[in-house]
Amino acid sequence: QVQLQESGPGLVKPSETLSLTCTVSGGSIRSYYWSWIRQPAGKGLEWIGRIYSSGSTNYNPSLKSRVTMSVDTSKNQFSLKLSSVTAADTAVYYCARVYCNNVSCCFDPWGQGTLVSVSS
Amino acid sequence: SYELTQPPSVSVSPGQTARITCSGDALPKQDAYWYQEKPGQAPVLVIYRDSERPSGIPERFSGSSSGTTVTLTISGVQAEDEADYYCQSADSSGTYVFGTGTKVTVL
Repeated sequence: QVQLQESGPGLVKPSETLSLTCTVSGGSIRSYYWSWIRQPAGKGLEWIGRIYSSGSTNYNPSLKSRVTMSVDTSKNQFSLKLSSVTAADTAVYYCARVYCNNVSCCFDPWGQGTLVSVSS
Repeated sequence: SYELTQPPSVSVSPGQTARITCSGDALPKQDAYWYQEKPGQAPVLVIYRDSERPSGIPERFSGSSSGTTVTLTISGVQAEDEADYYCQSADSSGTYVFGTGTKVTVL
């Protein structure tokens, strides 16, 4: 059973870069897309982007200018970098596997999430 | 940007039926998915491709689609079903979008 675990600093200063890593266990990271999704406190879910195991990426247009995703298949990990953060980037950040059929995709399973606060 | 609209809240008594709608212009062309999110826990997929139920999800969860609206139905609601529910789909460019979320309260 595939499990995901997010890791990274829980506090980032304004204007700096948020960096998170998701470690996949119980299965290979190869041949799947993997995503980052975030949720500000008391608000809804926002898709950030996805990365294929080959390194191909797609980002949410609303965040594209600040997002970089990467993958390390040797470690079964993928990562998120979000630059020039502000208080609006404070959220619980989830990583998830993207599960696709021929037509569409969903997110399953998800990691437990990690809270990242942006504050000086 | 593309939006999926859900009612903010639904209240239901135990044993009754809860229906949660999700409306979006692209839904006739795109599959919809539903997630259950309980406090402090990661979201869990409860319905995929409009109406399919993943293994391990109770039969009381079902989904349907009609035009620009998809509906998650919870029949015989139990206290443990109290949670936030989100629909998810994609826009024409392939950007994944989540609904605004619905809080289900079991009275």
